[in-house]
Amino acid sequence: EAAVTQSPRSKVAVTGGKVTLSCHQTNNHDYMYWYRQDTGHGLRLIHYSYVADSTEKGDIPDGYKASRPSQENFSLILELASLSQTAVYFCASSGRTGTNTEVFFGKGTRLTVV
Amino acid sequence: GQGVEQPDNLMSVEGTFARVNCTYSTSGFNGLSWYQQREGHAPVFLSYVVLDGLKDSGHFSTFLSRSNGYSYLLLTELQIKDSASYLCAVRWPNYNVLYFGSGTKLTVEP
Repeated sequence: EAAVTQSPRSKVAVTGGKVTLSCHQTNNHDYMYWYRQDTGHGLRLIHYSYVADSTEKGDIPDGYKASRPSQENFSLILELASLSQTAVYFCASSGRTGTNTEVFFGKGTRLTVV
Repeated sequence: GQGVEQPDNLMSVEGTFARVNCTYSTSGFNGLSWYQQREGHAPVFLSYVVLDGLKDSGHFSTFLSRSNGYSYLLLTELQIKDSASYLCAVRWPNYNVLYFGSGTKLTVEP
């Protein structure tokens, strides 16, 4: 079964601090994504990547950086965390073609910035 | 992105049916996905449609009208455990990027 693993599952960060959220997939998927979900809302795309060592901006990239050092790993970095970045963050992966194009989500990371 | 719109809430009765509506901007459309999300959990894939018409998958069926930018998810023989949020997402042609609506919270009452 497709597997997307996020760490940590929850984190409390201090305003102005640096936060790194990690994601690892064992699906052999080319594409990976970071989404943010605020309470009672849908998912919004932050960054995505279609190949290792390359990342693309999504709809809401401001305040976030992404890193894809290998096909399996995709990190989201908050250099200076702010209160407004309190949310649940989901990593996802998807294959390139055919039936492998379903997007699979990790279990999420609940980030609280205080 | 892509103007994906869903009603916030929907209520129905156990044993009956519920239809969750979704409208979207038709530009750049490359298919539409439906996900179920329970409180505190990740979205779970339900269905992907790219052709017009009704796709019957048993308990969950999906309808698509590309010319009208409209889709719905139909749940039949509702059970209490179907209470969850249902997310509609338009798939962009590039890299399977999904643009989500805000989700519809379905409450199934006894």
